[in-house]
Amino acid sequence: KAGVTQTPRYLIKTRGQQVTLSCSPISGHRSVSWYQQTPGQGLQFLFEYFSETQRNKGNFPGRFSGRQFSNSRSEMNVSTLELGDSALYLCASSLVRGNNSPLHFGNGTRLTVT
Amino acid sequence: GENVEQHPSTLSVQEGDSAVIKCTYSDSASNYFPWYKQELGKGPQLIIDIRSNVGEKKDQRIAVTLNKTAKHFSLHITETQPEDSAVYFCAAIDTGNQFYFGTGTSLTVIP
Repeated sequence: KAGVTQTPRYLIKTRGQQVTLSCSPISGHRSVSWYQQTPGQGLQFLFEYFSETQRNKGNFPGRFSGRQFSNSRSEMNVSTLELGDSALYLCASSLVRGNNSPLHFGNGTRLTVT
Repeated sequence: GENVEQHPSTLSVQEGDSAVIKCTYSDSASNYFPWYKQELGKGPQLIIDIRSNVGEKKDQRIAVTLNKTAKHFSLHITETQPEDSAVYFCAAIDTGNQFYFGTGTSLTVIP
């Protein structure tokens, strides 16, 4: 069974631009979560989607948004990029929500903002 | 929300020795505690998990222990090998189904 696939693997953007990252969950998984990983802050939760609805949201500004499609694939968008948005963005999928279903991570998208 | 603290931030051990990483959590209602291993250039990979109705779980050289009263859980790696070198994260899930991660432990196994 294929794992979580994130595209692209690397992105270089300029401050002020916007970016869209894509995530394909493991087949059959219905929950998709996004995390930002930086050396100083560790894994910070962005949001979680289940059945095309946002179920949880972390403490990030409104410039960060996401959505989930009917096939469970998810995208996240960051508008008006800032230098501090440079990070590894990780997508994780799970079969269902909650403690009966562990997270399975993709290898991430490395975003560099210059 | 939940708060997960992880120690130490870095750990170096000789090959063949044991490694222990400890985490504490704040929400007594949390009942699921996974551990992840992240190798360079890859996403975190689940290596073992434990639920609150169990005190210990083993999988070959890896074990996790949970003390609900003290609200802490630990990862134990025995007979460490160079390929165990990675960053390890603990996590807990809160009643809102949101995962909270520790800040990670960079483990180096010296051959």
